[in-house]
Amino acid sequence: EDKVVQSPLSLVVHEGDTVTLNCSYEVTNFRSLLWYKQEKKAPTFLFMLTSSGIEKKSGRLSSILDKKELFSILNITATQTGDSAVYLCAVISSGNTPLVFGKGTRLSVIA
Amino acid sequence: GAVVSQHPSRVICKSGTSVKIECRSLDFQATTMFWYRQFPKKSLMLMATSNEGSKATYEQGVEKDKFLINHASLTLSTLTVTSAHPEDSSFYICSAELGGRSYEQYFGPGTRLTVT
Repeated sequence: EDKVVQSPLSLVVHEGDTVTLNCSYEVTNFRSLLWYKQEKKAPTFLFMLTSSGIEKKSGRLSSILDKKELFSILNITATQTGDSAVYLCAVISSGNTPLVFGKGTRLSVIA
Repeated sequence: GAVVSQHPSRVICKSGTSVKIECRSLDFQATTMFWYRQFPKKSLMLMATSNEGSKATYEQGVEKDKFLINHASLTLSTLTVTSAHPEDSSFYICSAELGGRSYEQYFGPGTRLTVT
């Protein structure tokens, strides 16, 4: 059974801190890993990672994939209160389920 | 960018009634749409894959007679929760796949269903 595990489940940091969110996976025939940010509504797409070792960056957010160790990290530097959200990791495999989601990491950034 | 809408955004209904939720891709055609359910503080759970012009594919454990899915056109899929019960109360999210690439899903804003 395909599995995606995120850690920590929740995290509270102060504005300006740097955070690292983890996502490990066990899937059949991995294709891609995706990160989403979910606030009060539906998720918004952040990154898609397919190749190992290539960092994707968008502003203060960055992410990298390690296909050998089967994990990805999402880094957020200089956190702001607007970064408070649930961050979801999902994996695409060639199995029948198009996206397998982890349970998410709830990030709270306090002023 | 690709936009997906859902209607209604919030609905309250009585036990035993049926509720229809619409999912529309506004500026692109989506051969495939997905329906997810999310409980508080939990991850998204895929309920079914909706393909235009054919029957939906349901995930294990999802009752297809209870959650009716119709993908009538390339821009519209509907989910009908039949004979709703309080345990059906949840946040239902649809997504539409762009260009046949299952990773490129665009999510609707979600529908919060409360069954009293």
